[in-house]
Amino acid sequence: EAGVAQSPRYKIIEKRQSVAFWCNPISGHATLYWYQQILGQGPKLLIQFQNNGVVDDSQLPKDRFSAERLKGVDSTLKIQPAKLEDSAVYLCASSLGDRSSYEQYFGPGTRLTVT
Amino acid sequence: SQQGEEDPQALSIQEGENATMNCSYKTSINNLQWYRQNSGRGLVHLILIRSNEREKHSGRLRVTLDTSKKSSSLLITASRAADTASYFCATSLEMRFGAGTRLTVKP
Repeated sequence: EAGVAQSPRYKIIEKRQSVAFWCNPISGHATLYWYQQILGQGPKLLIQFQNNGVVDDSQLPKDRFSAERLKGVDSTLKIQPAKLEDSAVYLCASSLGDRSSYEQYFGPGTRLTVT
Repeated sequence: SQQGEEDPQALSIQEGENATMNCSYKTSINNLQWYRQNSGRGLVHLILIRSNEREKHSGRLRVTLDTSKKSSSLLITASRAADTASYFCATSLEMRFGAGTRLTVKP
């Protein structure tokens, strides 16, 4: 079974630029998550999708971050404009159903450096 | 606020010894999950324990849950160098991870 795919693996941008990350979940997984993990900290949930609807985006900085999951499969996370404090690893995860009952499978992440 | 807080922050043991790490949380839960993260395999789910369960085993892993104390513990028995990683807990309702316990197993 193929795992969660993410691209790119690494990205370096200057502050105020825009960046987008892509995620392809495990086939058949209805739930998709985006996390931000700053060095030395645990992952922070940014947004959870159930199929193509948003379930939880309470910690997403909506003034600069946006995410979509068209057709309930692939997802993109965008940052516009980026700030220095956005430097982190962005993890995508998927699960069969809601987090209350199902384990999550994580992708390798995208390491973002904002200079 | 952080929902899952792991303790200790770092733990160093010899191969073959047991490792115990703890997790505390603040609000009610319906389940609690433990994850491991190392540079080779990324973040991997280890075990999920539901609020009506007190103990769960998976191979060399044993997880306990005490909902009255809002705490959980993860025991790794007969540790191996490959167990070197950071271990995180997260509660499902808020899905918030702590900073993790950094475990080093020396060969």
